[in-house]
Amino acid sequence: EAAVTQSPRNKVAVTGGKVTLSCNQTNNHNNMYWYRQDTGHGLRLIHYSYGAGSTEKGDIPDGYKASRPSQENFSLILELATPSQTSVYFCASGDGGHEQYFGPGTRLTVL
Amino acid sequence: AQSVTQPDARVTVSEGASLQLRCKYSYSGTPYLFWYVQYPRQGLQLLLKYYSGDPVVQGVNGFEAEFSKSNSSFHLRKASVHWSDSAVYFCVLGTSGSWQLIFGSGTQLTVMP
Repeated sequence: EAAVTQSPRNKVAVTGGKVTLSCNQTNNHNNMYWYRQDTGHGLRLIHYSYGAGSTEKGDIPDGYKASRPSQENFSLILELATPSQTSVYFCASGDGGHEQYFGPGTRLTVL
Repeated sequence: AQSVTQPDARVTVSEGASLQLRCKYSYSGTPYLFWYVQYPRQGLQLLLKYYSGDPVVQGVNGFEAEFSKSNSSFHLRKASVHWSDSAVYFCVLGTSGSWQLIFGSGTQLTVMP
């Protein structure tokens, strides 16, 4: 059973539109993370959370918001999407140590 | 600042050949090192990890990696690759006192039949 799931798997959005990416985990981990993956950059941390109700800024938070309404769910929100946010987005969960468990990714294209 | 360098963006080998993917890290403290693999259209999966002890660590599917403190390296090896090993491999650094991970830029491995 997949422990970290993401939806949608693919999304095409228009510039200036609002985009919400969702993540669900069944690992019962306190920590959850949002990364983006771009060619030549590996994964870069956007936002993270220590538990329900908490969100923290990662290394590249500009243009993104996050929401953690429950232990299981963590959303990434692009209020005004721009073409520079075209990327693949990964959600992950962890218990606070170094091991993280990744979802399958969401491919976002902003036109 | 901490960093991870994977100098080879793409590596192509023939099926059955041996493999080494290179990784160098920059960190003055005790590193925690990982290799993750990303198969097409999938998320990252942990291949192996090094925390301490024996510098050669074994992972899944016949992969192993060797930690060298003197060289600040954590190279990944496999004695005989299979076409199904074609994927992107990420070297990842964890630092003491923080859960944050520092990712290398990845190496795209293509195994030719």
